[in-house]
Amino acid sequence: GQNIDQPTEMTATEGAIVQINCTYQTSGFNGLFWYQQHAGEAPTFLSYNVLDGLEEKGRFSSFLSRSKGYSYLLLKELQMKDSASYLCAVLDSNYQLIWGAGTKLIIKP
Amino acid sequence: DADVTQTPRNRITKTGKRIMLECSQTKGHDRMYWYRQDPGLGLQLIYYSFDVKDINKGEISDGYSVSRQAQAKFSLSLESAIPNQTALYFCATSDFTDSTDTQYFGPGTRLTVL
Repeated sequence: GQNIDQPTEMTATEGAIVQINCTYQTSGFNGLFWYQQHAGEAPTFLSYNVLDGLEEKGRFSSFLSRSKGYSYLLLKELQMKDSASYLCAVLDSNYQLIWGAGTKLIIKP
Repeated sequence: DADVTQTPRNRITKTGKRIMLECSQTKGHDRMYWYRQDPGLGLQLIYYSFDVKDINKGEISDGYSVSRQAQAKFSLSLESAIPNQTALYFCATSDFTDSTDTQYFGPGTRLTVL
């Protein structure tokens, strides 16, 4: 079956750096997405990786290793507004998005 | 103005009632999706449509039906609502011409079935 694993919850301190991991086992691979979702709101697109390596976008970076079935989202200079759930999703061989359950990130002052 | 809108935003109904959730988009995207989200679970795909004449079942389509009235409109119906359909429902769109096929979400409809 298809599976995406991410930690359920993480806690970090304002101003610090946090890395959220995602491992996947899917039928084929056509890209990996990270979305941010504040409680009760819609998911919003953060990043897309299809090639191995690091993609940097401001305070957020996303890394992909296709051979390891692994990605991480790196958040730097954490702000209180970064408290949210972070969803990992993989586009499989049928171009269906397979979603992880999300990682709830709690930022403490 | 929001690119993807959903109505209603909140709805409380009773078991056995027929409910329709509506989604409209001004992004000009061909592809539209309906998801449900339950606490602690990932997004689950209910139905998707790649154009007006194309409707496909997702992983949890039982108890739901959809209608793609136009490129910009995609409605989800619960023919006879049951309590375990209480969830947050999202509509999403994506662009066929975008190589990443990134999905963009509406604000969601919170549905409670009593």
